[in-house]
Amino acid sequence: AQSVTQLGSHVSVSEGALVLLRCNYSSSVPPYLFWYVQYPNQGLQLLLKYTTGATLVKGINGFEAEFKKSETSFHLTKPSAHMSDAAEYFCAVRTNFGNEKLTFGTGTRLTIIP
Amino acid sequence: DGGITQSPKYLFRKEGQNVTLSCEQNLNHDAMYWYRQDPGQGLRLIYYSQIVNDFQKGDIAEGYSVSREKKESFPLTVTSAQKNPTAFYLCASKKEGATGYTDTQYFGPGTRLTVL
Repeated sequence: AQSVTQLGSHVSVSEGALVLLRCNYSSSVPPYLFWYVQYPNQGLQLLLKYTTGATLVKGINGFEAEFKKSETSFHLTKPSAHMSDAAEYFCAVRTNFGNEKLTFGTGTRLTIIP
Repeated sequence: DGGITQSPKYLFRKEGQNVTLSCEQNLNHDAMYWYRQDPGQGLRLIYYSQIVNDFQKGDIAEGYSVSREKKESFPLTVTSAQKNPTAFYLCASKKEGATGYTDTQYFGPGTRLTVL
């Protein structure tokens, strides 16, 4: 079965510091991987995705993530945190090929310290 | 503007009543999805539909029902059989790829259901 593990349900960083949110996946087929962001009482917005090709993907708001097959990881980073980055972040993986369901991690709540 | 609308944003119901949550999209997307979100549990798939008049159960379908009579609409009914219906419900849609390529799921703003 496909699964996603997000290490750390809560992460706090100082404004201007590096943001690192961890995501490890399990998949029996080549994975498609996604990071979404959710602000309070809102839907999810896509930050970035990896399908094929370049393993370092860049997304919106200065975020990027690197697909590492050997480590089954897809960690999300941002060089310098901004107060507006405070939100909940979800990593997701596509399941069986031809079956377009996504499996989500349990989320990481990011707090920015002024 | 194209997008996904969910209504209402907040919904209160008495225990034992069925309630229907609305989801409409004008993105001309083929597939639509319903998720349930509970604190600390991420998103769990309730039902999804890849084509009109067809839908499949997700991971937690018990106590829920759906219909897909129109491409734009995918309403979710929370029945009295759902033991713990209070949650945040999210609808999503996606354009199906001809070769199975997974395009992005786009999400609506959600409906927060509280059963009293």
